[in-house]
Order: sequence, then structure tokens, then C-alpha cells
Amino acid sequence: EAGVAQSPRYKIIEKRQSVAFWCNPISGHATLYWYQQILGQGPKLLIQFQNNGVVDDSQLPKDRFSAERLKGVDSTLKIQPAKLEDSAVYLCASSLNRQGDEKLFFGSGTQLSVL
Amino acid sequence: GENVEQHPSTLSVQEGDSAVIKCTYSDSASNYFPWYKQELGKRPQLIIDIRSNVGEKKDQRIAVTLNKTAKHFSLHITETQPEDSAVYFCAAFNNAGNMLTFGGGTRLMVKP
Repeated sequence: EAGVAQSPRYKIIEKRQSVAFWCNPISGHATLYWYQQILGQGPKLLIQFQNNGVVDDSQLPKDRFSAERLKGVDSTLKIQPAKLEDSAVYLCASSLNRQGDEKLFFGSGTQLSVL
Repeated sequence: GENVEQHPSTLSVQEGDSAVIKCTYSDSASNYFPWYKQELGKRPQLIIDIRSNVGEKKDQRIAVTLNKTAKHFSLHITETQPEDSAVYFCAAFNNAGNMLTFGGGTRLMVKP
């Protein structure tokens, strides 16, 4: 079974530039998550989709971050403009999210460095 | 919302000793508690999980205990090996909100 695919693996940009990350979840997984993991910290949920609808985006800095999952499959996360404090690993995860099967599977992440 | 606290933040043990990591959660509605292991530069990998209707679960050298009344759960690793060295994260899942909240992580170092 293919895992969660993410690209790019690494990205280096200057502050105030824009960047986009892509995620393709495991086939059949209705729920997709974007987490931000700052070095030395636990992953923090940015946004959660159920199919193509947003379930929770309360911790997404909406003035600069946006995400979409138009067809309910793959998703993109965009930052515009980037700040130094956005340097982190951006992890995408997916799950079946059924009662009794809540396991999240993570992608390899995109490591973003904002200079 | 849910708040998950994890202790200690770093833990150093000698090979062969046991390691214990503890977490507390705030939302009594949380009902699923996974533990993830993350090696440097890699994705978090699920190593064990427990549901709220179970008090303890074991898988070889790894065990997890849950005290719903006190709202805390723990990871126990016995006979530690150098390859157990990693960062471990606990998490709490609220089925009502379908949200998984992570603790801050514990860096475990197993010295040979």
C-alpha cells in the first residue's frame, strides 16, 4: 500500500516570498491533516479536511496561510508571504477516521527554511 | 480544546534499563491515545495505541497504560536498546471533534 506522498522534500526561500506544499493521502482516506512541526516541538495541527470540507482550521494563520483540497483527494498548503518563524517541517497525514480506526499515517514532510 | 502535557522532555537511560514517559490530557471526551516514534529527519511512526475502554496494552518490549479517571497515560519501554533512541510523542484523539493533539515530545537517549 502506498503511503502519504508529499513534495517537495526541502524548500529554502527568503522572507516575504511565497511557497506551496503538496500532499497526496493514502487512497480511500477521507480525512487529511496538515501539521506544522517546529524544531524540538510536537506537531501542531494547522488544518483538517474531511473529504473536501474543512473540519478545523482554528490554528491556521489565515492572514498568510491557505489550504485547499478541491476534489477531496490531494491537497496544497500555501504560505504567502512567508516569515522567519514559518521555518518548520510541514507534515501531511491522512486517516480513515472511522470509529475504531483513527490511526493517522504521516508523510515524510516538507522541511521549510525561511531566510 | 484538548491540551496534552508530556514529561520528561529528555530522558537518558543505560542500555537494558527501562524508560517511562508520562502524558496527561485535559479533555475527558478523548478516547484514543496513540504513541509515535520520530527518528531524526523522519516522519512520526505509530508504535502503539490504546483506547479508552482498555487500561493496559502490551506489544513485546513496549506497553502503554491509561488511567481515565486521572486523565493520564504512560509509555513503558523495557530492555531498552540503542535503536530505541528517538523522540517519542504521545497524543490524544477526540472522536467528537476528530482531532489529534500531540504532546511536546520526549527525547530518549539510550546509552550503550
